Amino acid sequence: SQQGEEDPQALSIQEGENATMNCSYKTSINNLQWYRQNSGRGLVHLILIRSNEREKHSGRLRVTLDTSKKSSSLLITASRAADTASYFCATEDNNTDKLIFGTGTRLQVFP
Amino acid sequence: DGGITQSPKYLFRKEGQNVTLSCEQNLNHDAMYWYRQDPGQGLRLIYYSQIVNDFQKGDIAEGYSVSREKKESFPLTVTSAQKNPTAFYLCASSTQQVREQYFGPGTRLTVT
Repeated sequence: SQQGEEDPQALSIQEGENATMNCSYKTSINNLQWYRQNSGRGLVHLILIRSNEREKHSGRLRVTLDTSKKSSSLLITASRAADTASYFCATEDNNTDKLIFGTGTRLQVFP
Repeated sequence: DGGITQSPKYLFRKEGQNVTLSCEQNLNHDAMYWYRQDPGQGLRLIYYSQIVNDFQKGDIAEGYSVSREKKESFPLTVTSAQKNPTAFYLCASSTQQVREQYFGPGTRLTVT
C-alpha cells in the first residue's frame, strides 16, 4: 500500500495539554498537508508544508517535515475539547501530483 | 456561499442496483476528486478530473464510473460491479495554484 502511516492511532489528553501526531510516508513529495475530520464529516485543510520547508506555524499548530526520514509531525498546543477529531496527513506525490492519505490519528481532548 | 456540496447525505440501495452520488462546487476549481473512506481508515482515491471532459482512474476505480461534463459537477456512479460498495464517499476540489483540497460533507452509502 502507498498509504502513509500515522502514529499514534489514538491519543487522549486533557484540555490545555499539547498533542503531537507523527506521519511517515514512502514516496518523494511536492508537499505534505494535514487535514482534520470531525466524526461523519468532510475533511478540513489545516496546513501545507512544502518539501523545501522544515517547519511551519499556523495559530496553535506547528508542523515539521524531515524529508530525509520521510516523516512529519503535527503539534497542537494548549488543546481544547473542540480539537477532538481525527487528523490525517496527506502527501502530494512528486510523480503523479496525487494526494496519498495516511490512516489518521484519533484525538480525544477531555475538558 | 462558496463551497462544495454532496447529496444525499445518506443513501440506501439494494445489491445489484447502480447508484449515482452528486458532487457540485461553485469555487471555480478546475480539479475534482472522489475518495472512499472505510471505518477507521484513511482516504483512497477513486477517480479524479483536472479539466472538463477529462478524468483519470485513481487507485480503486474498479466498479465505479464518473463524468465531467461541466466544471461545477463531478457525479460518481457506483455500479453493481463494485464488490463492497458500502462506505463513506467524499468529493473534493482544488486549483492548480493552491494545492490544498476542499472537501464536501460526504455521502454515506449503505448497500444491502
